[in-house]
Amino acid sequence: DQQVKQNSPSLSVQEGRISILNCDYTNSMFDYFLWYKKYPAEGPTFLISISSIKDKNEDGRFTVFLNKSAKHLSLHIVPSQPGDSAVYFCAASANNNDMRFGAGTRLTVKP
Amino acid sequence: KAGVTQTPRYLIKTRGQQVTLSCSPISGHRSVSWYQQTPGQGLQFLFEYFSETQRNKGNFPGRFSGRQFSNSRSEMNVSTLELGDSALYLCASSLDAGSGNTIYFGEGSWLTVV
Repeated sequence: DQQVKQNSPSLSVQEGRISILNCDYTNSMFDYFLWYKKYPAEGPTFLISISSIKDKNEDGRFTVFLNKSAKHLSLHIVPSQPGDSAVYFCAASANNNDMRFGAGTRLTVKP
Repeated sequence: KAGVTQTPRYLIKTRGQQVTLSCSPISGHRSVSWYQQTPGQGLQFLFEYFSETQRNKGNFPGRFSGRQFSNSRSEMNVSTLELGDSALYLCASSLDAGSGNTIYFGEGSWLTVV
């Protein structure tokens, strides 16, 4: 059951521009959302998170937006850098429950 | 602080064999989760352990099992291996599971079944 969906398998952006990665979820019980970044042959690394009581969280070049009514969250990277090229996974969890991941979006930032 | 450690990093097994993968969580973390990553399927949740008890389980057949020891270290076992079990198996740890807890991943164990 795909409770967390990332409908874009890939995204290509020019260096310096904004990258927007999207994620949709179906379970209204989810109340904590995270983004992970994964390079080949490495485990995913935590990037940024947001609680359902907020609609925006910012950390440097990374901003996560949450739209609870639409069950949608997005990750904005501004400005995008070539080193941001990786697979990005969004994840969601509900209280006392396991964390569910999307299928991932491969971001390529071109110099 | 050492991160999540998984062993072995790479292994090749033949169909029908069984395999055991090991995970040492970050010190102080009591929750350990296991995920399977295959191309195009993202991270599929296998199971989660806390204080030696399996609290949550994903939609995988009974051939996939795990356990957690008193020191929070965890192992997962796959019996009667099939070609489709070839994947990256990731272990993650957190202080606890659920809302508000960030999980941290190990490097993963690459399993190839031939």
